[in-house]
Amino acid sequence: GAGVSQSPRYKVAKRGQDVALRCDPISGHVSLFWYQQALGQGPEFLTYFQNEAQLDKSGLPSDRFFAERPEGSVSTLKIQRTQQEDSAVYLCASSLVRSQETQYFGPGTRLLVL
Amino acid sequence: GNSVTQMEGPVTLSEEAFLTINCTYTATGYPSLFWYVQYPGEGLQLLLKATKADDKGSNKGFEATYRKETTSFHLEKGSVQVSDSAVYFCALSVYNQGGKLIFGQGTELSVKP
Repeated sequence: GAGVSQSPRYKVAKRGQDVALRCDPISGHVSLFWYQQALGQGPEFLTYFQNEAQLDKSGLPSDRFFAERPEGSVSTLKIQRTQQEDSAVYLCASSLVRSQETQYFGPGTRLLVL
Repeated sequence: GNSVTQMEGPVTLSEEAFLTINCTYTATGYPSLFWYVQYPGEGLQLLLKATKADDKGSNKGFEATYRKETTSFHLEKGSVQVSDSAVYFCALSVYNQGGKLIFGQGTELSVKP
């Protein structure tokens, strides 16, 4: 079956622009996670949804970062007024339920802020 | 808090050599432990996992044993192949903390023919 998909795969933004990153999880997966991966580092947790409810947003680095999953399926991560330090790969993962279930990752969106 | 520490890379081995990538962790709760692999140009894939102490996860010739007494989850393979060249990430998630994964910094493995 189809895996997790993300779009766009690559995004170049000028500093100060707003960007929106999309994640399509595996159909039927209840949980959805966003991670940020800086170059040469491991992914770092940003936020977590169970269906449409955002249950944990403790990893969002600032109030410029906002995520939503209004119908419990597709999710969008929005970054307002992008800064150079936002340059990273943004990974989305989904799992059937939560807590120690296997997470399936998408290919990521590589964001470069100039 | 929760954290994962992996041995630094890059690790360069000849084909058929023995591989060990060390991973240790700290956790405030009772963690499950994972190894994920990222092949060049591809997304993260689960390689193996273990959910309780003394469990051994295994897949594709790779093994790792959950050692609670040493808080470790070292990855091993008896005979590596060129196709094993990738970045390997150790990770944990703690029960009742939402399922988020805490990753190590990754270890790049390069296998030469």
